[in-house]
Amino acid sequence: KQEVTQIPAALSVPEGENLVLNCSFTDSAIYNLQWFRQDPGKGLTSLLLIQSSQREQTSGRLNASLDKSSGRSTLYIAASQPGDSATYLCAVQLASEKLVFGKGTKLTVNP
Amino acid sequence: DVKVTQSSRYLVKRTGEKVFLECVQDMDHENMFWYRQDPGLGLRLIYFSYDVKMKEKGDIPEGYSVSREKKERFSLILESASTNQTSMYLCASSPSADRVRTEAFFGQGTRLTVV
Repeated sequence: KQEVTQIPAALSVPEGENLVLNCSFTDSAIYNLQWFRQDPGKGLTSLLLIQSSQREQTSGRLNASLDKSSGRSTLYIAASQPGDSATYLCAVQLASEKLVFGKGTKLTVNP
Repeated sequence: DVKVTQSSRYLVKRTGEKVFLECVQDMDHENMFWYRQDPGLGLRLIYFSYDVKMKEKGDIPEGYSVSREKKERFSLILESASTNQTSMYLCASSPSADRVRTEAFFGQGTRLTVV
C-alpha cells in the first residue's frame, strides 16, 4: 500500500529565509506528484505538478523536484514571505487513478 | 479558469438526517474524489469515481454512498448522519492518467457539523 510521508510536520522560519519541504513515498510506481497549499478552513490550491517522466517544475519562487527511484520529492521556497504561511501537502497519483496524500507540513513565516 | 464547486461552505445537520453534498466540475475530468479531513488524520479518501456511474470505495466508505449520473457532478450521501461524521469534506477532480496533463483540482470544502 502506497504511503506518503511529509517531514517536518511543522516549520517556523523568519521572513526572507529559503526553505525546503520534504515528501517521501513508498512505491515508485506513480503517475505524477503534486504539491498543494491549504489555508486554514479552505480547500487545496494546486502549486506544482510533476509528471512521472519529469525531474522538476518551477513556478515563481517555488521549485519542486522528483526522484522516483528513491521515492522523494522536495518543494523549495525561495525568499519566504509571511503570505507563504499555510499547510503544504504533497500527493501522488497511482495507476488506479487514486490520489494518496501526506499529512502536510504547516509552515509559519514570521515577519 | 478551472473550477470545482461544492454546493455549501457550511452545513449543520441533525443526527439521523440524510445529507447530500454536491460537487460540480467544469473541466470535463474523468476522475472525481471525495475526501474528509480531520485534525491529525490528514485527508482520507471516502469514494472516488473514474467514469459516469462508476465508483470505487476509498479507505473509509462506511456510512457513505455516492452517485455520479453525469460526468460533471459527483454527490456524496450520508445515509444517516452521525456526530462522528462532523468534518471538513473536500471534493476533487482530475483527468485520467492517460491524458497529457493530469493535474487535480479541489473545491473550497464543506464544513459539516452533525448535532
